Amino acid sequence: NAGVTQTPKFQVLKTGQSMTLQCAQDMNHNSMYWYRQDPGMGLRLIYYSASEGTTDKGEVPNGYNVSRLNKREFSLRLESAAPSQTSVYFCATTQDTSGNTIYFGEGSWLTVV
Amino acid sequence: GENVEQHPSTLSVQEGDSAVIKCTYSDSASNYFPWYKQELGKRPQLIIDIRSNVGEKKDQRIAVTLNKTAKHFSLHITETQPEDSAVYFCAAQTGGGNKLTFGTGTQLKVEL
Repeated sequence: NAGVTQTPKFQVLKTGQSMTLQCAQDMNHNSMYWYRQDPGMGLRLIYYSASEGTTDKGEVPNGYNVSRLNKREFSLRLESAAPSQTSVYFCATTQDTSGNTIYFGEGSWLTVV
Repeated sequence: GENVEQHPSTLSVQEGDSAVIKCTYSDSASNYFPWYKQELGKRPQLIIDIRSNVGEKKDQRIAVTLNKTAKHFSLHITETQPEDSAVYFCAAQTGGGNKLTFGTGTQLKVEL
């Protein structure tokens, strides 16, 4: 039981390159999230998927796209990376009932040069 | 949308002392308030949470209080230990989608 698994853990991109961050969970949770964490700014929601087949924008969606491939997997794509997207990205999951614990993956460190 | 403010941004205490971190939220419809601890290079992990129908909750050395009228909630850590040193985040949840809005974090340092 791995919980929430993110890949890759570390990535360096050049400005303008594209890449996809992968997230998979084996907790049978319905809801999945992508957050970014920057120094002094806490965790900010990029996109979320309340259930399989649905996705919605969060607080900072610009420059990102997501795909909820199935119940287990939720990917985050950077189409044309910018230095402002240098950050630590966390995938998270929870059951769909309000007030349930949100579990985070280990994080993906992305640097755009 | 929801806005969560967290204070202080850094907190240094002596081992054995108490630590208090405070958060305010803006949306009176928020109904779930978790606290996360994040060690350097690690993922955030839930340490305690409280729902809007409860005023206080304790778990060993950790307690959280909620004042719905004033729209603020606080984390209390008693008898602090060096392993309590970490960044602590408060969060508030509003409405559907189970979305959390996080505070900006408090770096707690427990000194020997």
